[in-house]
Amino acid sequence: GQQVMQIPQYQHVQEGEDFTTYCNSSTTLSNIQWYKQRPGGHPVFLIQLVKSGEVKKQKRLTFQFGEAKKNSSLHITATQTTDVGTYFCAGPGTGNQFYFGTGTSLTVIP
Amino acid sequence: DAMVIQNPRYQVTQFGKPVTLSCSQTLNHNVMYWYQQKSSQAPKLLFHYYDKDFNNEADTPDNFQSRRPNTSFCFLDIRSPGLGDAAMYLCATSREGLLSSYNEQFFGPGTRLTVL
Repeated sequence: GQQVMQIPQYQHVQEGEDFTTYCNSSTTLSNIQWYKQRPGGHPVFLIQLVKSGEVKKQKRLTFQFGEAKKNSSLHITATQTTDVGTYFCAGPGTGNQFYFGTGTSLTVIP
Repeated sequence: DAMVIQNPRYQVTQFGKPVTLSCSQTLNHNVMYWYQQKSSQAPKLLFHYYDKDFNNEADTPDNFQSRRPNTSFCFLDIRSPGLGDAAMYLCATSREGLLSSYNEQFFGPGTRLTVL
């Protein structure tokens, strides 16, 4: 079946350092979304990318969708303690399904 | 405020005793989803409704059923809960379907199910 993998699984950074999580799908995605889930919370939508090679920015967050529409990345510049949480990529698969990536858990050390 | 509401937030049931989780939305979205999320894992889609059209994921166990009596409400029925069904159950909604460019999903706070 379709798989959506993210690396790294865990990342610890000092506050102020940059952070990147990578998302790879075994199949082409029509679009990709990114969600953030704080500890004890529910996923919160961050952004959706649709076009091949698309890049979008939200303040310190930069999202990219690969040219082949099979991979994506989220980069956070100068992390803050409020960035703590698990970041998931997600996208529709074949057969009317929707897959979340394995997630990257970010810890920010003050 | 428009939102997704789940009740109860915590549910304890006994092994094999049927349980129903509920979700309601005030967003008037077409699509409602049920996800299962186990500790330190990603949410896994169980099924979703586009309006009244039901879509069951291929590997969702028969033990899980769902009902959507109207636009606002959706229920998850677990007919005979096993210990492996203990998890957080998340309800979500989106305005359009999975392949749309406008299918941002809004999640409720979840119901944490404990099976004794």
